[in-house]
Amino acid sequence: GAGVSQSPRYKVAKRGQDVALRCDPISGHVSLFWYQQALGQGPEFLTYFQNEAQLDKSGLPSDRFFAERPEGSVSTLKIQRTQQEDSAVYLCASSLVDEAFFGQGTRLTVV
Amino acid sequence: GDSVTQMEGPVTLSEEAFLTINCTYTATGYPSLFWYVQYPGEGLQLLLKATKADDKGSNKGFEATYRKETTSFHLEKGSVQVSDSAVYFCALSPDSGGYNKLIFGAGTRLAVHP
Repeated sequence: GAGVSQSPRYKVAKRGQDVALRCDPISGHVSLFWYQQALGQGPEFLTYFQNEAQLDKSGLPSDRFFAERPEGSVSTLKIQRTQQEDSAVYLCASSLVDEAFFGQGTRLTVV
Repeated sequence: GDSVTQMEGPVTLSEEAFLTINCTYTATGYPSLFWYVQYPGEGLQLLLKATKADDKGSNKGFEATYRKETTSFHLEKGSVQVSDSAVYFCALSPDSGGYNKLIFGAGTRLAVHP
């Protein structure tokens, strides 16, 4: 596809479950970002990859959050032992030079 | 740390009215500034950007000027349309790191009525 694709679009998890969110960036884009957007707020930076290297993970809120991009393309954001405060929209963005292209996000609801 | 503050919404306007959405920032160095728009059911899209002081970004009739003296990047449009109804986010990219990590404001919802 032409844009950034995220799956699933919606995920409901019971508290304590592990979840995995997938991001397919635009082909050839070197940079990949994950953001977390709480209801009524702007997106907040979680982590950044340049190809397969995770160069900045300063925004990950706890060690329950883990991201990977093993082959420098598809990325997965994993959240272990989900808690209610993890409920948010998780956005992925990719870029080649300076403009970031965003996916539609995955809405995670922890019940 | 770096931050962005934008006016709270919702902003409700009639078609053809003038739009201003205020945005101010706090940052060290010389950040790049952006406006993103999120239409209903769609992902965030870059609307316009400015990378240095006094630059004016413009797109689709919207414009914003990077004002370093007032640390502002207000979004304006002379005549809004119903199709402009969306949530608008002001953002900055810090002047460091060599990559465009974005810091966003909380967003301003715009509703335009016929």
